[in-house]
Amino acid sequence: DQQVKQNSPSLSVQEGRISILNCDYTNSMFDYFLWYKKYPAEGPTFLISISSIKDKNEDGRFTVFLNKSAKHLSLHIVPSQPGDSAVYFCAAKSGGSNYKLTFGKGTLLTVNP
Amino acid sequence: NAGVTQTPKFRILKIGQSMTLQCAQDMNHNYMYWYRQDPGMGLKLIYYSVGAGITDKGEVPNGYNVSRSTTEDFPLRLELAAPSQTSVYFCASSDRDRMIGEQYFGPGTRLTVT
Repeated sequence: DQQVKQNSPSLSVQEGRISILNCDYTNSMFDYFLWYKKYPAEGPTFLISISSIKDKNEDGRFTVFLNKSAKHLSLHIVPSQPGDSAVYFCAAKSGGSNYKLTFGKGTLLTVNP
Repeated sequence: NAGVTQTPKFRILKIGQSMTLQCAQDMNHNYMYWYRQDPGMGLKLIYYSVGAGITDKGEVPNGYNVSRSTTEDFPLRLELAAPSQTSVYFCASSDRDRMIGEQYFGPGTRLTVT
């Protein structure tokens, strides 16, 4: 049972445009949602998070939106840059513990110059 | 800070061989994890530890063993390697006092079993 789903395996956008990466979840007990970025031959790196009590969190070019009623979150990257080309993983943490993240399968973002 | 380090970076094993993947962190994190990532798949939790001397199984523990004798080190042991264990292995750690629960990952070990 996949509790965190990223239904788009890949996304291609032009440099300067907006990239929108989507993530759906099924478990209402998740209290934090995280996005990770992964370059080839490297480990994932933490990018941005959002609490389940918020609907938006912004950090520079990266904004995460949370729609709890739809159990959906999205990561917006504006403007997209070629260096943003990577695999993006959505992850979620259950309330009541400060460990054990559940990861989606990832979306490969390609930003074309 | 080196963060999370893993050795080796690459390894080829023959079926039935054993090996230990090393992981160390210098951030004084209580929590440590081992994941595997297969092509097109997300990260699957193999084992985790909430402190020295305490380990527990994740989603896919079969064929693996771990130990945690110190806060810094969390080695993963593969016994009787099988082709199904061909994967990229990531070690991670996190601070138990962080509500967000963000984990810091090592660079990974790419293992091929033939």
